Amino acid sequence: QKEVEQNSGPLSVPEGAIASLNCTYSDRGSQSFFWYRQYSGKSPELIMFIYSNGDKEDGRFTAQLNKASQYVSLLIRDSQPSDSATYLCAVVNSGYSTLTFGKGTMLLVSP
Amino acid sequence: DTAVSQTPKYLVTQMGNDKSIKCEQNLGHDTMYWYKQDSKKFLKIMFSYNNKELIINETVPNRFSPKSPDKAHLNLHINSLELGDSAVYFCASSRGQGDTEAFFGQGTRLTVV
Repeated sequence: QKEVEQNSGPLSVPEGAIASLNCTYSDRGSQSFFWYRQYSGKSPELIMFIYSNGDKEDGRFTAQLNKASQYVSLLIRDSQPSDSATYLCAVVNSGYSTLTFGKGTMLLVSP
Repeated sequence: DTAVSQTPKYLVTQMGNDKSIKCEQNLGHDTMYWYKQDSKKFLKIMFSYNNKELIINETVPNRFSPKSPDKAHLNLHINSLELGDSAVYFCASSRGQGDTEAFFGQGTRLTVV
């Protein structure tokens, strides 16, 4: 079974610090990778997507992909209390046409 | 002007009842999905439709029956509800299959008592 693994957390960081969220996936043929943020009681919303090895930056967010290691990460710089949420890693597996989600990592940013 | 809307937002019902959740998207997307998020917050695909055609049917009890009257709508009907069906059900849509961004509805919290 093709899986997406994340540490459930919570990951606690102080305001202004860098939060690092990690995800590994089992399907070596996966091509598309997504990070969603989900506030408590709300629906997931897309933060970043990445298709190629390396880094992709968008504002305070950086997604990193290493296909050889089957590893994708999300860095949040200058973390804010409003970043406190569950971050879901999602992968489109090869030969499959939908997203497979990890169980999410809860991030807590303290003022 | 909600992109993906589902109704109802909350649904409380007794075991054995039949219920439906409706979903509509106004994004012009071809693909729609139903996801189930359990009490441990694990989000799992149930069904995927592309242009009204069923693409993915995960291991879901046949008490769950999706219906897509057109590509903007994907409804979920559940027969003979069980306690274990209690969860949040999310509808989502994307431009195409797989490697495009999925937009989620606000979710329907189903509680079976």
